[in-house]
Amino acid sequence: QKEVEQNSGPLSVPEGAIASLNCTYSDRGSQSFFWYRQYSGKSPELIMFIYSNGDKEDGRFTAQLNKASQYVSLLIRDSQPSDSATYLCAVKSQGAQKLVFGQGTRLTINP
Amino acid sequence: KAGVTQTPRYLIKTRGQQVTLSCSPISGHRSVSWYQQTPGQGLQFLFEYFSETQRNKGNFPGRFSGRQFSNSRSEMNVSTLELGDSALYLCASSLAGLAGVPNPYEQYFGPGTRLTVT
Repeated sequence: QKEVEQNSGPLSVPEGAIASLNCTYSDRGSQSFFWYRQYSGKSPELIMFIYSNGDKEDGRFTAQLNKASQYVSLLIRDSQPSDSATYLCAVKSQGAQKLVFGQGTRLTINP
Repeated sequence: KAGVTQTPRYLIKTRGQQVTLSCSPISGHRSVSWYQQTPGQGLQFLFEYFSETQRNKGNFPGRFSGRQFSNSRSEMNVSTLELGDSALYLCASSLAGLAGVPNPYEQYFGPGTRLTVT
């Protein structure tokens, strides 16, 4: 079992709809969770982080964390074509000075 | 505040050669992590440095090494290059390890160095 798993996609969503990206992790001691966006040919860009169970909203983005079920998700409301990118989920385990990344979900927003 | 910078941006090397990549973190960040990104393996952790000390290392062969200087700039070296080392090498800096920082683990990536081994 991979430490951090994401559906590789591609996930295709119509413009204006809600895009939902999911990530599961295996280490119950994980304490910090991050979402990065990576455009083709570019480096990852941090868009959200969440540490506590529940929802965290930032503009059109909402991160949701459920530690009991070991999953974290990212919702993108009012999806725009500029949101088309690969979204990487990253997890930091307790005591480890590193992030473990999922393989990423490729998201395409169709005009 | 300036972001993470990496040099060079592109490199072409031949098998058997060695290469050194450089990373300058965001001002005030003392933690620097290195990653290798390939289409097949995704983002793989290489190592992390804080205050000139390697705190964590990923599962890469000894040909991959790194160091950090007193000004927090970091270098990674790959010796005896193999074709499979062709990848995007990314460094990321964070506030991790600094006392009194409430959420230190967010990592900010540089633009990367694209290494091609022929």
